[in-house]
Amino acid sequence: AQSVTQPDIHITVSEGASLELRCNYSYGATPYLFWYVQSPGQGLQLLLKYFSGDTLVQGIKGFEAEFKRSQSSFNLRKPSVHWSDAAEYFCAVPNTGGFKTIFGAGTRLFVKA
Amino acid sequence: EAQVTQNPRYLITVTGKKLTVTCSQNMNHEYMSWYRQDPGLGLRQIYYSMNVEVTDKGDVPEGYKVSRKEKRNFPLILESPSPNQTSLYFCASRLQGPNSPLHFGNGTRLTVT
Repeated sequence: AQSVTQPDIHITVSEGASLELRCNYSYGATPYLFWYVQSPGQGLQLLLKYFSGDTLVQGIKGFEAEFKRSQSSFNLRKPSVHWSDAAEYFCAVPNTGGFKTIFGAGTRLFVKA
Repeated sequence: EAQVTQNPRYLITVTGKKLTVTCSQNMNHEYMSWYRQDPGLGLRQIYYSMNVEVTDKGDVPEGYKVSRKEKRNFPLILESPSPNQTSLYFCASRLQGPNSPLHFGNGTRLTVT
């Protein structure tokens, strides 16, 4: 069965520092992969997605993610974090039939001044 | 504005008192789904609908009902709420196809006492 693992429950970074959030998936074939962000009191918003082709994908708000098939990973990165990036981040993959999206448990990002 | 609208945002009720959480989308999406979000567990799917009059169980359907009489609406019904259904609920929609991202409502925080 497909699964998504986000190893870090929470991460704290200083404003201006770089960020990497980890995501590992279990899937039989090349999956569609998504990162969503949830700001406090809000629903989830799509940051970026990977379908095929270039393994480095760009998203909104200066985020990018790299698909590495050999490591079954899809880590999210940002070169310089802003205080407004404090939120919870979810990695997700659809199941084989495409009728369900499987989410990781989420990583909460804290940004310190 | 393209959006998914959930109501109410906050709801406090007592055990056994039937309630309905409404969800409406204006993007003509075929697929709609309900999730609950609990700390440390990420998002878990309750029910989904691939199209009008087509609904199916997700991972945690017990204690919930849904209906899809119109394309735009997908209400979540709790016939006899219990305290273990205290949670944050999200409705989401997307186009057909697993490569389409989900669009989320802003959530409904339900407390059952």
